[in-house]
Amino acid sequence: DAGVIQSPRHEVTEMGQEVTLRCKPISGHDYLFWYRQTMMRGLELLIYFNNNVPIDDSGMPEDRFSAKMPNASFSTLKIQPSEPRDSAVYFCASNRRGASYEQYFGPGTRLTVT
Amino acid sequence: RKEVEQDPGPFNVPEGATVAFNCTYSNSASQSFFWYRQDCRKEPKLLMSVYSSGNEDGRFTAQLNRASQYISLLIRDSKLSDSATYLCVANQAGTALIFGKGTTLSVSS
Repeated sequence: DAGVIQSPRHEVTEMGQEVTLRCKPISGHDYLFWYRQTMMRGLELLIYFNNNVPIDDSGMPEDRFSAKMPNASFSTLKIQPSEPRDSAVYFCASNRRGASYEQYFGPGTRLTVT
Repeated sequence: RKEVEQDPGPFNVPEGATVAFNCTYSNSASQSFFWYRQDCRKEPKLLMSVYSSGNEDGRFTAQLNRASQYISLLIRDSKLSDSATYLCVANQAGTALIFGKGTTLSVSS
C-alpha cells in the first residue's frame, strides 16, 4: 500500500507569496494531521481532521495559516502571506484510530521562505 | 514547561554498546506512550509503543514509570544503523500526540 503522499517535497518562495502544501492520506485512514517541525520548537501539531472535519486547530499559528480537507483523500495547508519564520518542514500524518494513537507520516515538505 | 522533555544529546557510542534514553512527561493523565525514530531529513516512524508492564522488541526495550512520569528506551548491542533521532511521545486520552524534541544517537565503528 502507498503511504502518505505529500507535495511538493521542497518549496522555496519569497516573503509575501502564497504557499499551498498538499497531502494524500493512506487509503481508509479517516484521521489526518498536519505538523510543523523546526530545530527550535521540534514537532508541533497544527491541526487535525476526522472524516474531513477539522477537530482541533489550536496549533495553527495565526490567520495566515488555513487548512482544508475537501474529501477523504486530499488535504491542503495554505500560508498566505508567507514569512521567513514559516520556514520549516511540514509533515502530514494519518491513521484510522484517532488522535491518541500511532500515526503514519508522509515524507514532508521542506519550505524555505526568503 | 514543555510537556514532553528529552535530553537532546548527542549520544555518541561505539558499535556494540548499550545506550539508554530517558524522557519525562508533565501530564499525569497521559495514557498512551510511544517511541518514534527519525532519520536525518526523513519523516518520523513508529519504533515501538510503550506499555505499563514494559515491552521488548529485539534489541530494544521500553519502560514506563508512571509514578515518576518518565519513559525510557534501552538499545542493546548498538548498530551503525541505529544512528538516528529518537522521539518520545505522550498524550492524554482523546487528545493528540505530544512529541519531545528528540534525542540524537550516533553509533560509530
